[in-house]
Amino acid sequence: GNSVTQMEGPVTLSEEAFLTINCTYTATGYPSLFWYVQYPGEGLQLLLKATKADDKGSNKGFEATYRKETTSFHLEKGSVQVSDSAVYFCALRVPGSSYKLIFGSGTRLLVRP
Amino acid sequence: DAGVTQSPTHLIKTRGQHVTLRCSPISGHKSVSWYQQVLGQGPQFIFQYYEKEERGRGNFPDRFSARQFPNYSSELNVNALLLGDSALYLCASSLVVGGATGELFFGEGSRLTVL
Repeated sequence: GNSVTQMEGPVTLSEEAFLTINCTYTATGYPSLFWYVQYPGEGLQLLLKATKADDKGSNKGFEATYRKETTSFHLEKGSVQVSDSAVYFCALRVPGSSYKLIFGSGTRLLVRP
Repeated sequence: DAGVTQSPTHLIKTRGQHVTLRCSPISGHKSVSWYQQVLGQGPQFIFQYYEKEERGRGNFPDRFSARQFPNYSSELNVNALLLGDSALYLCASSLVVGGATGELFFGEGSRLTVL
């Protein structure tokens, strides 16, 4: 079946450190891939997306590249800020499944000053 | 413009009771989806509605039901509540129902506690 696996958290970093959150997926066909972020007390927000192999999604300094050969979509940021502290969810959508998103379990990021 | 709004934000029920959660999509959005997020897990798809018709259903028991109204708002109903139904229930809206690249806009959720 279709599924998403994320690295377990929490991930604790100092401000300006480099961030990587790993995400791998299993899916039929060619899924679209997403990263959503959930800040404390807020709803999920789309952070970035990629719809085909080798696409790179980017937003707010975050990047992720759709790697079909390794079925991965790792999230990276070169220099994190305290305000990046949140829970990050990797998700996929399989073609033909309308807007059903399949989420990973989430990775909590804590950035210390 | 208002985002996706959900009510109530928090509620407490006891086992066996039923609950109704409400969602108003972003103006102009015709599709509404519901997700359940158990603490420490990612959201799980429950339903999708478009133009008042059910377009998708996740792996949830028949105790879960939903509907969409002519103004595109939606209700999620859960009957015979179990302790395991305690979760954050998220509503999301979108312009259309299909397509690989479209975005879902999520509300802040309704947190249900079942005692």
